[in-house]
Amino acid sequence: DSGVTQTPKHLITATGQRVTLRCSPRSGDLSVYWYQQSLDQGLQFLIQYYNGEERAKGNILERFSAQQFPDLHSELNLSSLELGDSALYFCASSVGTVQETQYFGPGTRLLVL
Amino acid sequence: DAKTTQPNSMESNEEEPVHLPCNHSTISGTDYIHWYRQLPSQGPEYVIHGLTSNVNNRMASLAIAEDRKSSTLILHRATLRDAAVYYCILRDVGAGSGAGSYQLTFGKGTKLSVIP
Repeated sequence: DSGVTQTPKHLITATGQRVTLRCSPRSGDLSVYWYQQSLDQGLQFLIQYYNGEERAKGNILERFSAQQFPDLHSELNLSSLELGDSALYFCASSVGTVQETQYFGPGTRLLVL
Repeated sequence: DAKTTQPNSMESNEEEPVHLPCNHSTISGTDYIHWYRQLPSQGPEYVIHGLTSNVNNRMASLAIAEDRKSSTLILHRATLRDAAVYYCILRDVGAGSGAGSYQLTFGKGTKLSVIP
């Protein structure tokens, strides 16, 4: 158990809908990272927050957004969903410095029908 | 991030040592070598990391070539639980500024199968 929790574990929805994925980092970790894992693209970095502020952006679509709240939990919002958004979404957390280990949650499996 | 090259797959017998290679010929002086692994149906987990010297921890050993252009992750006794995809990742400690702005860039990794 990494100490990172993600809800829900599974999500099935329809195209055009909007969903919210939630992540609670390990106690004391200030950084939260979101990654997407699909069969064709592999594991890809989406976005990072550090202590409530956006720190880095990766291959995140404009239809996707995220935020980190004062209690440090984070939410990833996916809107206007398309079939291709079906994937595993992982959240990771770290204390915050460059070489800190990232601890990954169990992921949310999203299926868009 | 500098690029790494790993074999797509490897096989090992249970209780035998496993050497997982990684080539990173364009590594820079500020790149740390990190290894993560992803067990089936789980999120990635940290294995080990190093800069220049060989490193050991309870999970594995990391052997780094003298020119740092390659490294090898060593599992001393493979168990069935070690069957996973292993990712070799370079992280540049010198890039950017501020704390915590460095994501992990995953390649395709090496899928390790362990035969009972």
